[in-house]
Amino acid sequence: EVQLVESGGGLVQPGGSLRLSCAASGFTFSSYWMSWVRQAPGKGLEWVANIKRDGSEKYYMDSVKGRFTISRDNANNSLYLQMNSLRAEDTAVYHCARDLGSGYPIDCWGQGTLVTVSS
Amino acid sequence: DIQMTQSPSSLSASVGDRVTITCRASQSINSYLNWYQQKPGKAPKLLIYVASSLQSGVPSRFSGSGSGIDFTLSISSLQPEDFATYYCQQSYSTPHTFGQGTKLEIK
Repeated sequence: EVQLVESGGGLVQPGGSLRLSCAASGFTFSSYWMSWVRQAPGKGLEWVANIKRDGSEKYYMDSVKGRFTISRDNANNSLYLQMNSLRAEDTAVYHCARDLGSGYPIDCWGQGTLVTVSS
Repeated sequence: DIQMTQSPSSLSASVGDRVTITCRASQSINSYLNWYQQKPGKAPKLLIYVASSLQSGVPSRFSGSGSGIDFTLSISSLQPEDFATYYCQQSYSTPHTFGQGTKLEIK
């Protein structure tokens, strides 16, 4: 069974940093693109970033470029999101997701971890 | 960035009804359009990919169509478990933007 379990969320002050982690199991992690998708409280889904199977390509939404970094450790079946210079508008549940890549969809999602940016 | 616009934003319907949700892209995305269902407090679930392909395990009452800029998700006979929020997403180019969602409620 495919499992994606996020951790690392919490309360952080504006301008602060946080690192999210996602532990993957039940599939060959290194064979898949991976993504982060967020959802602000009561709002819709927002695609944040994705990373190629070997980590050689990374893509971001405009509002997080230069502040967020997606990375992966295929040896440990883990996905990460380093978030710096956090803003109130980054407050959301962050979902780790398995991305089929090359025009195809996200087919599996974690339950998410809540990030709250507030003073 | 490609903008995705769904309509309507909310919809009331009854069990057994046929409903259609539309999604329009700001430029052509070929057929790289996906549909997800989300229930409160849960992760989204993939329903349809590449505009019209049914994800494994999804009931056949769900169907998708379209290409280019205009797409539709149809549910042929609503069941109680179908009341949820539906999102379209383009996977043609990054960022892989989502529509704003359509909340399907019981009439």
